Amino acid sequence: NAGVTQTPKFQVLKTGQSMTLQCAQDMNHNSMYWYRQDPGMGLRLIYYSASEGTTDKGEVPNGYNVSRLNKREFSLRLESAAPSQTSVYFCASSPERGIEQFFGPGTRLTVL
Amino acid sequence: SQQGEEDPQALSIQEGENATMNCSYKTSINNLQWYRQNSGRGLVHLILIRSNEREKHSGRLRVTLDTSKKSSSLLITASRAADTASYFCATGSGGSYIPTFGRGTSLIVHP
Repeated sequence: NAGVTQTPKFQVLKTGQSMTLQCAQDMNHNSMYWYRQDPGMGLRLIYYSASEGTTDKGEVPNGYNVSRLNKREFSLRLESAAPSQTSVYFCASSPERGIEQFFGPGTRLTVL
Repeated sequence: SQQGEEDPQALSIQEGENATMNCSYKTSINNLQWYRQNSGRGLVHLILIRSNEREKHSGRLRVTLDTSKKSSSLLITASRAADTASYFCATGSGGSYIPTFGRGTSLIVHP
């Protein structure tokens, strides 16, 4: 099992460009999450999906959209990237919400 | 806003020593989890302790929870250089149970 996979691993964007971060899990988990990690800030929740077909905002959703494409895949879209979105993005999944989360390796995004 | 806050922010010890890090939180919780993050990697789950539990063990890890003081501690016994990492607590509260992460404790274990 690959666990949680994320693509791409690295990305550089110019201000105003758009992109989609992909996340997939092969553990048949119901819940999936997107976090951003900034130096000294810990992890902050952007959006989560408690189950297939549902998505909810987290602590810092502005500037992002998500799609729970199916039970395996949960994508994060930046419609118009801003330098403040420079961060490391982590996708995670869990069997149900609120219990042990399994994290992907992260995507390091730089917005110039 | 972050629920849990780890203390200390940084900890440096020698191999073989014990490492203790603490997590304090502000509101009632359903559970509390501890995660480890090696440099440049994703987080790895260590232990989950529920609000009605006081202590849990996993190998060299011991976690305690004191709901009256709204605090938890993670003890790593007989530390190894491979334990060098950042450690985060994550609290789950309210109806959503979605974990809220603290800023983490950076642990360095010198060989």
